[in-house]
Amino acid sequence: AQKVTQAQTEISVVEKEDVTLDCVYETRDTTYYLFWYKQPPSGELVFLIRRNSFDEQNEISGRYSWNFQKSTSSFNFTITASQVVDSAVYFCALVNYGGATNKLIFGTGTLLAVQP
Amino acid sequence: GAGVSQTPSNKVTEKGKYVELRCDPISGHTALYWYRQSLGQGPEFLIYFQGTGAADDSGLPNDRFFAVRPEGSVSTLKIQRTERGDSAVYLCASSASSGSSRNEQFFGPGTRLTVL
Repeated sequence: AQKVTQAQTEISVVEKEDVTLDCVYETRDTTYYLFWYKQPPSGELVFLIRRNSFDEQNEISGRYSWNFQKSTSSFNFTITASQVVDSAVYFCALVNYGGATNKLIFGTGTLLAVQP
Repeated sequence: GAGVSQTPSNKVTEKGKYVELRCDPISGHTALYWYRQSLGQGPEFLIYFQGTGAADDSGLPNDRFFAVRPEGSVSTLKIQRTERGDSAVYLCASSASSGSSRNEQFFGPGTRLTVL
């Protein structure tokens, strides 16, 4: 079975704090892709990052960084020096490689509220 | 506008009525997906089109749901005899090519369906 778990339902931080959003996944496939999407109050899902299962190198993009660890089936997302504009729901998602559909399997999301 | 567009943005209907939701993907994108997002949940896959054909409709909840993409571009999701449980945001996504799970899916703003 394929499953994505985001145990943190809601997180509230004060601006400029660092925050980490957790993502744990389950899949029987050895090759897969992991994604993070942001859903601001407007509702549109915005792609943030894609990582394939063969690449465990951590990635940094500005204030965003991602930590992928196959040993613990985790793909965590850290925002450094958070800003009010980071307030949104963040979804982690999984796609199995080579599947006929390439459908995204989403977690239930983490609502991040950044207070000024 | 080069993004995925969906109409209407909001649809309110009465139980038992028929509704159609439209998705206009990014020009040139051959893959098109429909997802349904219930309150407080992540999007759940409904159906996937590759070109004009429905390559995977395993996510459709029952036979009241149907989708078409007759010319390989615009898609319409059709719901017959709507029920209150159908109330959700219906999201459409498109991606550049078939057979590649690495491809980013670009999402539209969604249609919020409310069944009274």
